[in-house]
Amino acid sequence: EDQVTQSPEALRLQEGESSSLNCSYTVSGLRGLFWYRQDPGKGPEFLFTLYSAGEEKEKERLKATLTKKESFLHITAPKPEDSATYLCAVQAGYKGGSEKLVFGKGTKLTVNP
Amino acid sequence: GAGVSQSPRYKVAKRGQDVALRCDPISGHVSLFWYQQALGQGPEFLTYFQNEAQLDKSGLPSDRFFAERPEGSVSTLKIQRTQQEDSAVYLCASSFPRFGPPYNEQFFGPGTRLTVL
Repeated sequence: EDQVTQSPEALRLQEGESSSLNCSYTVSGLRGLFWYRQDPGKGPEFLFTLYSAGEEKEKERLKATLTKKESFLHITAPKPEDSATYLCAVQAGYKGGSEKLVFGKGTKLTVNP
Repeated sequence: GAGVSQSPRYKVAKRGQDVALRCDPISGHVSLFWYQQALGQGPEFLTYFQNEAQLDKSGLPSDRFFAERPEGSVSTLKIQRTQQEDSAVYLCASSFPRFGPPYNEQFFGPGTRLTVL
């Protein structure tokens, strides 16, 4: 069964204090690993897709990396507006597999000014 | 519009009532997905369509849940005889533009918050 575990569940940072969020996964053939940001009362907002181990993608203060067992979302010098829940999801790539995403429970990030 | 839209945004139902939730995907997207998100949890897959074909409904929790996409665009998720445990946010997402690169990122709507009293 495909599974995603995110840690920590919650993280409080001071503005400018860099850190990383972890996403560990088990999947029957990885088609893609996705990172989303979700603000209260809104739907998830797409951030990144990673397809193979060693791949990295960056967007502003965020950088996502991927290994064969986990992904990290690195946040450099965060600002209060980066406060949100960050969701990780995997899509299996086995033949005949569904296009569905399997999500973790998310990491709630709070950045204090 | 440019994004996925859902209606209503909020729905309050009495236990036992039937509800219908609507999703308008991004124009030209082939795949459409429904997810259920409980408070403090990540979204959980319910079902998905490729055009009008329902290819996977393994996540539907019971036969009270039914989804359709008759013309391959707008979709409706129907819940019959609602129960308190059905209270959640129902998210719709779409992906795979019909024309252009085969990006499989899923783009989500704002969700419908269902409260069953």
